[in-house]
Amino acid sequence: AQRVTQPEKLLSVFKGAPVELKCNYSYSGSPELFWYVQYSRQRLQLLLRHISRESIKGFTADLNKGETSFHLKKPFAQEEDSAMYYCALKREYGNKLVFGAGTILRVKS
Amino acid sequence: GAGVSQTPSNKVTEKGKYVELRCDPISGHTALYWYRQSLGQGPEFLIYFQGTGAADDSGLPNDRFFAVRPEGSVSTLKIQRTERGDSAVYLCASSPQRGLYNEQFFGPGTRLTVL
Repeated sequence: AQRVTQPEKLLSVFKGAPVELKCNYSYSGSPELFWYVQYSRQRLQLLLRHISRESIKGFTADLNKGETSFHLKKPFAQEEDSAMYYCALKREYGNKLVFGAGTILRVKS
Repeated sequence: GAGVSQTPSNKVTEKGKYVELRCDPISGHTALYWYRQSLGQGPEFLIYFQGTGAADDSGLPNDRFFAVRPEGSVSTLKIQRTERGDSAVYLCASSPQRGLYNEQFFGPGTRLTVL
């Protein structure tokens, strides 16, 4: 079975500090990995996916198959980045998403 | 255009009652998903529809849970004989078509509380 682990429930950083939200997964095939974000009182929305290899709102994430990780990084945190972040996995032959438990990112001024 | 909508936004019911939760996907989206999110957890997959048919219902926890999508658009999640453990936020998502790289767009969720 697939599993996604986000070891931190809460990550608190100061504005301008670097951010790294950790995500590890267990799956033997070739998954697609995603980061979803939920801002306060908003719905869950896609932030980025590993196949796009793009930077969204300054965030990047690289799939490391050797370490089975997909950590989310941003060099300089902003207050508006404060939100709940979920890492999610989809199998290559499937449609359902398997989510981690989420990490709350709090950016302090 | 309008996003995925879900009604009601909140539902309070008593143990043993029957509830229906409704999802209106984005127009033209053929794939529809239901997830359940318990407190402190990420969303957990329940069922996936491609068109009118349930392509994957492996996440439904037991036979008290049932979902339909009779015309390939609106879907209803039905829960019989509700239990306190069913209390959660029920999320619906839709995507344009089947395939590997299609984004799932989520609705705001229905918060179900079973007293």
